[in-house]
Amino acid sequence: DAGVTQSPTHLIKTRGQQVTLRCSPKSGHDTVSWYQQALGQGPQFIFQYYEEEERQRGNFPDRFSGHQFPNYSSELNVNALLLGDSALYLCASSLGRAGSVGYEQYFGPGTRLTVT
Amino acid sequence: QKEVEQNSGPLSVPEGAIASLNCTYSDRGSQSFFWYRQYSGKSPELIMSIYSNGDKEDGRFTAQLNKASQYVSLLIRDSQPSDSATYLCAAWGYSSASKIIFGSGTRLSIRP
Repeated sequence: DAGVTQSPTHLIKTRGQQVTLRCSPKSGHDTVSWYQQALGQGPQFIFQYYEEEERQRGNFPDRFSGHQFPNYSSELNVNALLLGDSALYLCASSLGRAGSVGYEQYFGPGTRLTVT
Repeated sequence: QKEVEQNSGPLSVPEGAIASLNCTYSDRGSQSFFWYRQYSGKSPELIMSIYSNGDKEDGRFTAQLNKASQYVSLLIRDSQPSDSATYLCAAWGYSSASKIIFGSGTRLSIRP
């Protein structure tokens, strides 16, 4: 049973550049959520995709955008990178929308983004 | 006030003892609660979920929920050095819609 996968593992970008991170959900899951985790903090919700639509967004600027494909995989795009965007970016997959019984989310290994 | 609060630690517990991790939440409408374990440099791993008041046991782990007090805890029995990690408490309720709210985590250290 394939778990959540993310690519790339590590990424170094320069301020002002753009980056695309990728996620494939756990087999059987149809919902993907993206989180940003700064050092020493809990994951902060960026947005969630279900049925190829953004269902909810956290307190992140429009520089953060995403997409979900028909096979449920997802991308996170960040434009005009700032030094403060350096963090671990986590993708979590789940089955169905919030409100489903349980609503457990399973995380991928993450992408460590460093902006210089 | 943070929505999900945890003591940052570090919490130091001798090997073989019971580690007790605590979490409080502010949204009284929260319905689902989760404990994740995160090793340094790794992603969070779901270890327990709890939805009803009372205790839920899974191996050496016991999650406890008290909705009246808005309090969640995780007990780890017979603590092992491999339990040394950061433990994240998370909550979900209809008011938060799609997102799960995470605490900042408690760092647990098991000393031999």
